[in-house]
Amino acid sequence: SQTIHQWPATLVQPVGSPLSLECTVEGTSNPNLYWYRQAAGRGLQLLFYSVGIGQISSEVPQNLSASRPQDRQFILSSKKLLLSDSGFYLCAWRDWGVSEQYFGPGTRLTVT
Amino acid sequence: SQQGEEDPQALSIQEGENATMNCSYKTSINNLQWYRQNSGRGLVHLILIRSNEREKHSGRLRVTLDTSKKSSSLLITASRAADTASYFCATVLQTGANNLFFGTGTRLTVIP
Repeated sequence: SQTIHQWPATLVQPVGSPLSLECTVEGTSNPNLYWYRQAAGRGLQLLFYSVGIGQISSEVPQNLSASRPQDRQFILSSKKLLLSDSGFYLCAWRDWGVSEQYFGPGTRLTVT
Repeated sequence: SQQGEEDPQALSIQEGENATMNCSYKTSINNLQWYRQNSGRGLVHLILIRSNEREKHSGRLRVTLDTSKKSSSLLITASRAADTASYFCATVLQTGANNLFFGTGTRLTVIP
C-alpha cells in the first residue's frame, strides 16, 4: 500500500534562516506531487505541484521554491524565511488518471 | 478565485444528530470532493462526486451536487464524537491541471 511521509513534524526557525521540508511517497511510481500551505483556521492554498522529476509548477509568487530530485521525493525550500511563511505545510500525492489526493501528516512551521 | 465557500463556518451538534455542511463554488467543475481534517493533522479523502452525478453515498455520508446552483452538501448521519473535525470541499475544474481548489472549511464539533 502507499504511504506518504513528511518531516519534520514541527519546526521553529528565525526570520532570515533557510528552510527545507521533505516529503516522500512509497508504494507508487510517477505520482503527481503537491505542496500546500494552510493558515490557521483556513483552507489550503496550493503552492507547487509536480508531474515528474524536475518538473515544478508554481501557483503563487512567494518566498518559497520546490524541487523534485527523485520520482517520489518532493522538497520545499526557502533561502530566507519571512514571518509570513509561518503555517501548516502539507504534502500530497495522487496517481495519474484519478483526482483523489492523499495527504501527509503535515509540518507546523513557526517563523520567529 | 475558484476557491469554494463553506457554510456554516462552525457547527456544534449532539451525538446522534445529523450534520449538514454546504459548499458553493464559482466555475464549472469536473468533480467535487470532500475531505476531513482532524486538528493538526493531514487531510483524509472522504468522497468524490462527478459533475454528472447528483447524489452519492458512502456509509454514513451522503453528498449531493447541484451544478445549476454550483453547490454541494455533505450530510453525516447519526454523528459520533469521533466525527469531530474540519470538513473541506474541493473542486477540480473542467479544464486545467486536475488540481484541487479548496473551500474554507466547516469546523464540526459533536458533543457526546
